[in-house]
Amino acid sequence: QQPVQSPQAVILREGEDAVINCSSSKALYSVHWYRQKHGEAPVFLMILLKGGEQKGHEKISASFNEKKQQSSLYLTASQLSYSGTYFCGTEKEGTGNQFYFGTGTSLTVIP
Amino acid sequence: GAGVSQSPSNKVTEKGKDVELRCDPISGHTALYWYRQSLGQGLEFLIYFQGNSAPDKSGLPSDRFSAERTGGSVSTLTIQRTQQEDSAVYLCASSWGGYTEAFFGQGTRLTVV
Repeated sequence: QQPVQSPQAVILREGEDAVINCSSSKALYSVHWYRQKHGEAPVFLMILLKGGEQKGHEKISASFNEKKQQSSLYLTASQLSYSGTYFCGTEKEGTGNQFYFGTGTSLTVIP
Repeated sequence: GAGVSQSPSNKVTEKGKDVELRCDPISGHTALYWYRQSLGQGLEFLIYFQGNSAPDKSGLPSDRFSAERTGGSVSTLTIQRTQQEDSAVYLCASSWGGYTEAFFGQGTRLTVV
């Protein structure tokens, strides 16, 4: 039930772009994205729902392809503060909640 | 409180002992989750409480693990007869329910020696 994330790790220079992918072998109902900095708690980035609705409070965009059972997180013009591990969480049907998390994508932004 | 509070922040226990981990969610949040994060790994779902509904225990790895939530607020995760493979960071999160932002606590780092 655990989604698969790719890449596992990426290193960027400030200002470069990155895409983090999340795919599931099961139907997706919603996808939740979180970022965790080293030694800290995960922090919410956004939720993507069927039908295209998104809820979030960061200048980060994402897509949700229900048919392909995939979601992608787009980090553009990366900043040093974007460094951390990104997790996608998929919903257990009917709950609207992030039950199953991927193993994470480590993002490092260097000057 | 201002955020999700977990205690203790660190716990070292001997193999075979029982441990209790506590989570104080954000006041008013109806949903509460427990996850386990092993070194360098993702978040493994353990258990989910929503309001007065029966908890979803489908993620508990064995019958040595149990959790309760009293009065719809504070939750305790209990691990009986701890094993070395139980060593991990245990994270608690709370939210208003489905399709809302979950707020995580700082976690309890459990080390079984």
